[in-house]
Amino acid sequence: NAGVTQTPKFQVLKTGQSMTLQCAQDMNHEYMSWYRQDPGMGLRLIHYSVGAGITDQGEVPNGYNVSRSTTEDFPLRLLSAAPSQTSVYFCASSYLMGFDTEAFFGQGTRLTVV
Amino acid sequence: KQEVTQIPAALSVPEGENLVLNCSFTDSAIYNLQWFRQDPGKGLTSLLLIQSSQREQTSGRLNASLDKSSGRSTLYIAASQPGDSATYLCAVKGNTGFQKLVFGTGTRLLVSP
Repeated sequence: NAGVTQTPKFQVLKTGQSMTLQCAQDMNHEYMSWYRQDPGMGLRLIHYSVGAGITDQGEVPNGYNVSRSTTEDFPLRLLSAAPSQTSVYFCASSYLMGFDTEAFFGQGTRLTVV
Repeated sequence: KQEVTQIPAALSVPEGENLVLNCSFTDSAIYNLQWFRQDPGKGLTSLLLIQSSQREQTSGRLNASLDKSSGRSTLYIAASQPGDSATYLCAVKGNTGFQKLVFGTGTRLLVSP
C-alpha cells in the first residue's frame, strides 16, 4: 500500500535551474494537489487537478507548472528556480466526491535554491 | 476568504495529562474538517476526518469535535504520551470550489516523560 509517493526527498538547485518534482498515487483518486510549507505560513496550495487533463491554479501558482496526463501522476515543474522557492513541497490526493474525501499526503520534497 | 487559526501555537505538558487543541475557522460553509499530525521533517498523517454533518469522531485516545455554526473544532488527546509529541494541523475543506484545503499553522506539542 504505497499511498502517495513523492520523489526526490531532497534537492538542491541553483538559481535559474529547472526541475520536476514527481508525485504518484495508487488509490485511484481523482483529486491531486501540490502544497508548499513555509515556516509560520502553514501549507499553501500551488496547483490542483480534478482529473486527467484538468488542472487549475491555487493560491501561489507563479513559477510552477503542472500537467495531469494520467490519474496516477501529477508532476510539479519549476521553470526557473528562485531562492523564494526554497520550501518543503507536499503532494496530496483524495476522492473528489462523496463521504470519504480524506486527503492523503506524501512524505514531502525538501527543496533548497541557492 | 477562509482563515484557519490554531491556538495555542505551542504546548508543553507532562506525560499522562489530557489536553485539548483548538482550531477555529471563519467561514462555516465547510465540507469537512481534517486533523493531521506532522513529525519533524516528515509528511502529514491523517488522524481524523469530520464531515460537516457530524459532531465528533473518535480514534483510540483521540477525539475531535466540530461546531460548524461557531466555526470551531477541538482535538482532545487523552492520557498523553511522549510519542504524541508532534505538530498537529487542522484543515478545512470548503463546500464550494474544488476541494481546496485551508490549513492552520499548527500546534506544536511536546509531551515530556
